[in-house]
Amino acid sequence: DQQVKQNSPSLSVQEGRISILNCDYTNSMFDYFLWYKKYPAEGPTFLISISSIKDKNEDGRFTVFLNKSAKHLSLHIVPSQPGDSAVYFCAASANTGFQKLVFGTGTRLLVSP
Amino acid sequence: DAGVIQSPRHEVTEMGQEVTLRCKPISGHNSLFWYRQTMMRGLELLIYFNNNVPIDDSGMPEDRFSAKMPNASFSTLKIQPSEPRDSAVYFCATRSQTYNSPLHFGNGTRLTVT
Repeated sequence: DQQVKQNSPSLSVQEGRISILNCDYTNSMFDYFLWYKKYPAEGPTFLISISSIKDKNEDGRFTVFLNKSAKHLSLHIVPSQPGDSAVYFCAASANTGFQKLVFGTGTRLLVSP
Repeated sequence: DAGVIQSPRHEVTEMGQEVTLRCKPISGHNSLFWYRQTMMRGLELLIYFNNNVPIDDSGMPEDRFSAKMPNASFSTLKIQPSEPRDSAVYFCATRSQTYNSPLHFGNGTRLTVT
């Protein structure tokens, strides 16, 4: 059972435009959400996170929005750059035990010049 | 800081052989996680340790898989015997005890079982 879902396996955007990556979750116990970015032949790297007490968190060109009632979060990248081309993973954890992270299947973003 | 170090980077083996993947965590990180990446399931948690103790191994697919953390600076994931469906990229990740601290991943081991 996939508790964290990224229904779009890929997304193509032109440089300078906005990229919107979506993520849905099913476990109502999740209270902390993260986005990771992964380049080929490298491990995922942490990008941005949001706690369930907020509905928005911004870091430079990256903004994460959380809609708890819909169990949905999104990552906005504005403006998109070719270097943003990577696989983006959404992850979630619950405030129980040791906070194990559950990841989605990833969305491959391609930003073309 | 060298980050999380995994070895080997690539492993090609024949079905039935034993495979051992290794991980050196970031110094001071108390939690260690083994993930497997596949196209179908994304990043799938196999097992995690806290202070060298296995906490949850419910993600380990079969008894053929085992993991150990004999000390704070080393962990292994072993597959015996290996099968072609085990082919995937295996990641080790670690983090500190600070609440909501992010995971730091190694660069993974790409395993191919023929």
